[in-house]
Amino acid sequence: GQSLEQPSEVTAVEGAIVQINCTYQTSGFYGLSWYQQHDGGAPTFLSYNALDGLEETGRFSSFLSRSDSYGYLLLQELQMKDSASYFCAAGGSYIPTFGRGTSLIVHP
Amino acid sequence: DAEITQSPRHKITETGRQVTLACHQTWNHNNMFWYRQDLGHGLRLIHYSYGVHDTNKGEVSDGYSVSRSNTEDLPLTLESAASSQTSVYFCASSEARAADTQYFGPGTRLTVL
Repeated sequence: GQSLEQPSEVTAVEGAIVQINCTYQTSGFYGLSWYQQHDGGAPTFLSYNALDGLEETGRFSSFLSRSDSYGYLLLQELQMKDSASYFCAAGGSYIPTFGRGTSLIVHP
Repeated sequence: DAEITQSPRHKITETGRQVTLACHQTWNHNNMFWYRQDLGHGLRLIHYSYGVHDTNKGEVSDGYSVSRSNTEDLPLTLESAASSQTSVYFCASSEARAADTQYFGPGTRLTVL
């Protein structure tokens, strides 16, 4: 089977940096994605890592280590609007599997 | 602009009724997916399709079916709705065959009484 583990909740203050970790077990793994979902909304794509290393997109960065079956999403200069749920998702054997999501709460 | 739409956005039905949720995308993507989202479970894959006339079962396919007669549409049918199928349903499409860059529809909130 396939599974992804991520923390259920993370809290931080505005302007800070926060890291959301994701560990995975998938067969035929070939990439890790991250999605953001605000309450009542649809998930939206943030980033994708197919290779080891860091991918940077503005204030968001994502990291992958295939040897450790581990990745993380790094959010810098946190803003109130970043309060949302964040999902890691793995592509394995052409079947996408999502983690249960991390609720990020940003305090002023 | 390309988009993915779902209808209806909200649906209330009774146990035992057949229900069909529509999903339409104008991205011209071959790959389409149906998920359900319940508190504490994240997004769980119901069915997926990698092209016209191709359909595959996902993690939680019991009680659901899909058909793919064209590129744009992947309707999801609940054959005999059950209260356990009360959920928010999301349709998604992608160019690649996995979690890389999926575009999600706005969702359908289904309540089965």
